[in-house]
Amino acid sequence: SAVISQKPSRDICQRGTSLTIQCQVDSQVTMMFWYRQQPGQSLTLIATANQGSEATYESGFVIDKFPISRPNLTFSTLTVSNMSPEDSSIYLCSVEGPGTGRMGYEQYFGPGTRLTVT
Amino acid sequence: EDKVVQSPLSLVVHEGDTVTLNCSYEVTNFRSLLWYKQEKKAPTFLFMLTSSGIEKKSGRLSSILDKKELSSILNITATQTGDSAIYLCAVADSWGKLQFGAGTQVVVTP
Repeated sequence: SAVISQKPSRDICQRGTSLTIQCQVDSQVTMMFWYRQQPGQSLTLIATANQGSEATYESGFVIDKFPISRPNLTFSTLTVSNMSPEDSSIYLCSVEGPGTGRMGYEQYFGPGTRLTVT
Repeated sequence: EDKVVQSPLSLVVHEGDTVTLNCSYEVTNFRSLLWYKQEKKAPTFLFMLTSSGIEKKSGRLSSILDKKELSSILNITATQTGDSAIYLCAVADSWGKLQFGAGTQVVVTP
């Protein structure tokens, strides 16, 4: 499986500010995703980070609020903009594992970033 | 509307008991079903299932998929306190996007 790192692991931010979360993978991967887990909730997909093109956002998530970059096949960033307390969550990146994909791909998660907005 | 439903939402068992967790789904463009264990922040991958009736095993954990019934079960035998966690079921669509169930919180008491 791929080794995934995220920075920062946690942060406390003031409302109205922005935070950029980095996700680094130790090998080239095609598919990279960003998820959010609000307190007491399950994971929800924010967007698919596409290399060399704009991210694909899920319903309820917009680029102005969650801009994403994917400059190459091993790195992506998610920015949480103009934060409010409702943005307090764990943010996770994930990647699909290696293989032909004929039988599907395993998907692995980074260690997560715990964000608290005050 | 696509959905993934897990049951029970929580349970408490004693060490040594066997646990069976359920996951049912209604997802268009189904590709695979995945199980994860979440103890702190990051979900840890357990199994990926794509074919019906083929059991996957890893130590005391096993899982099987029933594509006719649109469901899967995760079994944990001889439970230990270290098995205490939230177990998440997720279904991947053709593009690899995961839709998660609410999770089952398992507490194993000594």
